[in-house]
Amino acid sequence: AQKVTQAQTEISVVEKEDVTLDCVYETRDTTYYLFWYKQPPSGELVFLIRRNSFDEQNEISGRYSWNFQKSTSSFNFTITASQVVDSAVYFCALSEPSGGYQKVTFGTGTKLQVIP
Amino acid sequence: EAGVTQFPSHSVIEKGQTVTLRCDPISGHDNLYWYRRVMGKEIKFLLHFVKESKQDESGMPNNRFLAERTGGTYSTLKVQPAELEDSGVYFCASSQAAGMRYNEQFFGPGTRLTVL
Repeated sequence: AQKVTQAQTEISVVEKEDVTLDCVYETRDTTYYLFWYKQPPSGELVFLIRRNSFDEQNEISGRYSWNFQKSTSSFNFTITASQVVDSAVYFCALSEPSGGYQKVTFGTGTKLQVIP
Repeated sequence: EAGVTQFPSHSVIEKGQTVTLRCDPISGHDNLYWYRRVMGKEIKFLLHFVKESKQDESGMPNNRFLAERTGGTYSTLKVQPAELEDSGVYFCASSQAAGMRYNEQFFGPGTRLTVL
């Protein structure tokens, strides 16, 4: 069975600080995908990134960066120079192919509050 | 191309009443999924349709929940009678036909259900 753990329930940072959101996953499959989603106060799920299990290259997109390490089963997300607009709940998710479709398992989410 | 849409965006009902949520997937997507997030917890899988057939309904919490996808297009999720613990955000997602190497799930904006 697959499982995603986001141990940080809530994080508060002051604007312009860097913050890292942790994600640890469990899976028995060798082929899987990892995701991060953002849920702002308005409620919708905003896709941020997808990573497949064969690509361990770290990725940077503007102020966002992701560190994927299979050795520790972690897929951490760092926001550099945080802004108030980054305040949201962030979900890490794991997807395994199953009979031609993807079954997605989400973590419990980390609520990030950026204080001006 | 239109994304996944959900209606209503927000519903407030009293305990014991019935509510029907609707999801319109991306045109041509055979796979349709329902998820929900109750307060402070993870986003949990409810069920999965392939066209009009229920492929996996292992996440449906109890028999007060009924999902349908007549004709394999839009889907409805009915809660009858609603209980307080049903409050949360209900997400719908869709993906392309099975058989592709990776079927990305596209999420709708969610319906926020509040049961008083």
